Amino acid sequence: QVQLEESGPGLVKPSETLSLTCTVSGGSISNYYWSWIRRAPGKGLEWIGYIFYSGATRYNPSLMSRVAISVDTSKNQFSLSLTSVSAADTAVYYCARHRSVREMELWGQGTLVTVSS
Amino acid sequence: DIQMTQSPSTLSASVGDRVTITCRASQSINNWLAWYQLKPGKAPKLLIFKASDLESGVPSRFTGSGSGTEFTLTISGLQPEDFATYYCQQYNTYWTFGQGTKVEVK
Repeated sequence: QVQLEESGPGLVKPSETLSLTCTVSGGSISNYYWSWIRRAPGKGLEWIGYIFYSGATRYNPSLMSRVAISVDTSKNQFSLSLTSVSAADTAVYYCARHRSVREMELWGQGTLVTVSS
Repeated sequence: DIQMTQSPSTLSASVGDRVTITCRASQSINNWLAWYQLKPGKAPKLLIFKASDLESGVPSRFTGSGSGTEFTLTISGLQPEDFATYYCQQYNTYWTFGQGTKVEVK
């Protein structure tokens, strides 16, 4: 049974870089598209970007200038980097697997990241 | 950007009720629409894809319908485990979500 688990610091200071990793267990990261999504307090879900196992990426235009997603197939992991964070980036961050490049068929439980000094 | 407008934001219901959630897209999304269930501390769950296809393992009381820009999720015979927040999502152009509907105990 494939499972996804997000990991990383729960607290990041303003203007610094948020870094999270999603570890895929029980299956291979190969041949799939993988996304990061977030849910800010009191707000809806927001797609951040995706990466194909080959390394091809696409980002939400609203975040494109600050986001980078990378993949490490040897570790079965992919990672999110979000620069110059502010309180508006406080959210629960989820990783997810796509079916083809369409719906998100499998998600992690999410990890809360708070931006505060 | 394709905007998704979901309603209501909160829905109070009882076990056994039939509940309907509506999602409207700002332009046609060619039925590339999914519905997800979110519960605190749990992984979000895909319920419906391509507007009306039921994800494997999801109970048949969940049904999706609609086309073009108007879509609905119906839960027929609400169960205790169905109290949760539901989101629609379009994936015609990138991925955008509705604002969510919290189904709470009446």
